[in-house]
Amino acid sequence: GNSVTQMEGPVTLSEEAFLTINCTYTATGYPSLFWYVQYPGEGLQLLLKATKADDKGSNKGFEATYRKETTSFHLEKGSVQVSDSAVYFCALIHTGGFKTIFGAGTRLFVKA
Amino acid sequence: DAGVTQSPTHLIKTRGQQVTLRCSPKSGHDTVSWYQQALGQGPQFIFQYYEEEERQRGNFPDRFSGHQYPNYSSELNVNALLLGDSALYLCASRTGTGQYGYTFGSGTRLTVV
Repeated sequence: GNSVTQMEGPVTLSEEAFLTINCTYTATGYPSLFWYVQYPGEGLQLLLKATKADDKGSNKGFEATYRKETTSFHLEKGSVQVSDSAVYFCALIHTGGFKTIFGAGTRLFVKA
Repeated sequence: DAGVTQSPTHLIKTRGQQVTLRCSPKSGHDTVSWYQQALGQGPQFIFQYYEEEERQRGNFPDRFSGHQYPNYSSELNVNALLLGDSALYLCASRTGTGQYGYTFGSGTRLTVV
């Protein structure tokens, strides 16, 4: 079945450090891939998306590239800020499917 | 433009009771999905409603039921509450296909004691 696996947290970084959160997926066909972010006490916000292989999603300095050959969608940011502290979820929706499948989430702490 | 609105924000119920959670989708959205997020985990799909019909259901018992109204708002009902039903319940809405992502509400935190 379809599934998403992302690196366990927490990830603790200093401000202005480089961020990578790994995400791999299992799915048939060509799913759409997403990163959502959840700030404390809030719901999920769509951070970025990619709908086909080799697409690069980007938003607020975050980027992720849809790599079909490695079934990966790693999240990166060149310089993190304290305000980026949150839980990040990798997710997919299968072509023609109705439900979004989420990874377990990776908590990011950024220290000043 | 209001996003997805959920009510109430917090709720405490006793085992065996019934609860109704409410969701108003983002303006222009006609499809509503419900998710359960246990502490420290990713959201799990409960079901999706479109045109007032349940379109797909996740691996949840029949104690979980829902409804969608003609104005696209939706309710999630849970009967015979168990301690394990304690979680954040998220409503998400969209229009068109899901490949462009969903807009999520802030959720209802349900505590069963």
